[in-house]
Amino acid sequence: DTGVSQNPRHKITKRGQNVTFRCDPISEHNRLYWYRQTLGQGPEFLTYFQNEAQLEKSRLLSDRFSAERPKGSFSTLEIQRTEQGDSAMYLCASSLGAGIYEQYFGPGTRLTVT
Amino acid sequence: AQTVTQSQPEMSVQEAETVTLSCTYDTSENNYYLFWYKQPPSRQMILVIRQEAYKQQNATENRFSVNFQKAAKSFSLKISDSQLGDTAMYFCALLDSNYQLIWGAGTKLIIKP
Repeated sequence: DTGVSQNPRHKITKRGQNVTFRCDPISEHNRLYWYRQTLGQGPEFLTYFQNEAQLEKSRLLSDRFSAERPKGSFSTLEIQRTEQGDSAMYLCASSLGAGIYEQYFGPGTRLTVT
Repeated sequence: AQTVTQSQPEMSVQEAETVTLSCTYDTSENNYYLFWYKQPPSRQMILVIRQEAYKQQNATENRFSVNFQKAAKSFSLKISDSQLGDTAMYFCALLDSNYQLIWGAGTKLIIKP
């Protein structure tokens, strides 16, 4: 069990550019979650997958955000036409499912939009 | 709407003391889960303890225990024999029926030597 991993750990981009983050969940975890956390705040839910199906999306997730989880393994979160307000820590978590609800988090990807 | 409130932005205690962090929540669901997570400085979110709403018995994990008062919608975390490594942001979170975690704003806990 290697834990949840996220890449890259840090990303600096100019406003208007597209960025993509990757999350590798704990193996055999069929649920995967994305959250956004700004400095000094608790995380905010963005979206979640059960296997490859995206089951829930927050209204925080504008049309510029898209997430995928092909084949129910790793997931990607893409932000198009980044804005300064997108600067935040993007957290990924996974859980086993089947009545096991604890979510285990990765180290996050810190995005800075200049 | 479901909410989680942590009314203590920051707390500090001496090493080896006991500290209690407060959390209240609001939900219309009868079956739910509550969690405490810690986030050390520049490090990732770590699960501390969980509580199922249908269980009356308070959860305990080593030096960490909760006081779950379902009727009052209160879920406090007690840390006994606090250690320097307990310094972190502590978040209370409610898992809703859509498997979303609803988070409080966090309490910054500082353990002083």
